[in-house]
Amino acid sequence: NAGVTQTPKFQVLKTGQSMTLQCAQDMNHEYMSWYRQDPGMGLRLIHYSVGAGITDQGEVPNGYNVSRSTTEDFPLRLLSAAPSQTSVYFCATIQSGANVLTFGAGSRLTVL
Amino acid sequence: GEDVEQSLFLSVREGDSSVINCTYTDSSSTYLYWYKQEPGAGLQLLTYIFSNMDMKQDQRLTVLLNKKDKHLSLRIADTQTGDSAIYFCADISGNTGKLIFGQGTTLQVKP
Repeated sequence: NAGVTQTPKFQVLKTGQSMTLQCAQDMNHEYMSWYRQDPGMGLRLIHYSVGAGITDQGEVPNGYNVSRSTTEDFPLRLLSAAPSQTSVYFCATIQSGANVLTFGAGSRLTVL
Repeated sequence: GEDVEQSLFLSVREGDSSVINCTYTDSSSTYLYWYKQEPGAGLQLLTYIFSNMDMKQDQRLTVLLNKKDKHLSLRIADTQTGDSAIYFCADISGNTGKLIFGQGTTLQVKP
């Protein structure tokens, strides 16, 4: 039982490049979400999903796309990276009816 | 929309008690959480409290909830240097699993 696995742990991009941050969970949790963490701003919700095939926007969705084709995976796509997207990204999951989120270890992204 | 506010910095001496405060706006919050983040690490759940409780104690940690004032606090007794970290308050409401975080309070423990 690996929990929540995020890859890559570190990534450096140039402005305009695209990439996908991967999030995989083996706990059969229905809810998955992506947060970004910036100094002095806490964690802000980017996108979330309440189940396979269903996604919705969070607080700061612009510049990011998500999809949820399976229960296990919830990738976060940056189509054209910008320096403002330099951040640490956390994926989190929760079982329906439960009350505790499980976080991945984080992915540190730098956009030059 | 929902909002969670925390002070950004707290400094205490080793052995003293630390009190980290948080206010929130969502009246429908069901659970409120305290997470700890050490440098370069992810978030570790410290404790949480159900919204119909006033207090929860877990070893050195005491959580107080004033639902009327929408105020949550975390008290750490006998604070140690290993408690130095960023502490995040968060609340969850509805059935979406959306967790709204405060900005985080950096706790500095001086020997």
